Amino acid sequence: DADVTQTPRNRITKTGKRIMLECSQTKGHDRMYWYRQDPGLGLRLIYYSFDVKDINKGEISDGYSVSRQAQAKFSLSLESAIPNQTALYFCATMGPTGELFFGEGSRLTVL
Amino acid sequence: QKEVEQDPGPLSVPEGAIVSLNCTYSNSAFQYFMWYRQYSRKGPELLMYTYSSGNKEDGRFTAQVDKSSKYISLFIRDSQPSDSATYLCAMRARNTGNQFYFGTGTSLTVIP
Repeated sequence: DADVTQTPRNRITKTGKRIMLECSQTKGHDRMYWYRQDPGLGLRLIYYSFDVKDINKGEISDGYSVSRQAQAKFSLSLESAIPNQTALYFCATMGPTGELFFGEGSRLTVL
Repeated sequence: QKEVEQDPGPLSVPEGAIVSLNCTYSNSAFQYFMWYRQYSRKGPELLMYTYSSGNKEDGRFTAQVDKSSKYISLFIRDSQPSDSATYLCAMRARNTGNQFYFGTGTSLTVIP
């Protein structure tokens, strides 16, 4: 089983709908991240959390919110999805020596 | 100027070739350097992780960091078709757990 698990893996939705992407990890890491990946733009940070009580905005947080329900769970929500939020979304955890471990990704299409 | 620059390719090589992938960066505070491999529709997989300057070898993979030139490289020896993927470089400064900087990735195809 994957150490960083994302659900759903694929989702198609319509403009204005609320969407939640979930991430759970079995690595025991405190630090968790949400990134989006777009062709030509690379990985961009949406939100990050250093522990359950710590939530921080990244460079592209507008239109997104997160919830850290437990050390192992970090969810990303789009309150009202729009087409330019169509992207590949990755959850990641940070290991004790500073490297990132990524999930398999959630492909979101907003029509 | 972007913090990290990476040639997107695509790069196509015959099986068995030596592949060289490179990134340049502008921030002299970067001290931690990573290479990731990403297959289509998959998450990035950590290949190499190095601190500061020097070389690190793991099987067919060698990572080099030249801090004086702000330049990092990943070499793949005896390349295999299974190496066909996009390779991302990433880096961060000390004590900045949130600030990872990524290249946009180089697409590599190894032709049998």
